[in-house]
Amino acid sequence: QQPVQSPQAVILREGEDAVINCSSSKALYSVHWYRQKHGEAPVFLMILLKGGEQKGHEKISASFNEKKQQSSLYLTASQLSYSGTYFCGTRDNAGNNRKLIWGLGTSLAVNP
Amino acid sequence: NAGVTQTPKFQVLKTGQSMTLQCAQDMNHNSMYWYRQDPGMGLRLIYYSASEGTTDKGEVPNGYNVSRLNKREFSLRLESAAPSQTSVYFCASSEVGGGTYNEQFFGPGTRLTVL
Repeated sequence: QQPVQSPQAVILREGEDAVINCSSSKALYSVHWYRQKHGEAPVFLMILLKGGEQKGHEKISASFNEKKQQSSLYLTASQLSYSGTYFCGTRDNAGNNRKLIWGLGTSLAVNP
Repeated sequence: NAGVTQTPKFQVLKTGQSMTLQCAQDMNHNSMYWYRQDPGMGLRLIYYSASEGTTDKGEVPNGYNVSRLNKREFSLRLESAAPSQTSVYFCASSEVGGGTYNEQFFGPGTRLTVL
């Protein structure tokens, strides 16, 4: 089942904060976050695992609520370079170890 | 390290023509993937290869075939291109299973137009 991302789009001024959510109807084992700038390939940001383990960038924070089957990405003190589309990819407990199911993305625009 | 490379970067085909998209990685990764990305549709998995010699279907395999030539290379073939296959195609690789601890590294993409 494809995860649902919200909001679909966000417009910020530089320095403002944003939260992007990723929700699934199935129990999740892990959540991946990627950012894609226009015309470029997706780039890894963070992995959150069931049980609390995380792997990712120091300047980006995220949470994973296993009970709610939801993950949130926190972008604080946004910079112009944060602009792009953010995707979450999920693996559920019963899913194949090698496949992620991707959300449709959240478009983030940071203006001066 | 070049990471993940894809050729060609752009391609225009006529309906019914065939072509092969090439992908190679120099990170000694076991798993490789082919995705297509259409506006508003996110990333959809076409095929993946967990290791050399194995391939499996993803969400949208119809109209495509793949070959895991060796550990480095994973090609995607369109036997008879259709306008519905107009898309951006991304190849990706990960160390083991990209669904757990290991991130996927993406190539720059191939922009394919089928007329």
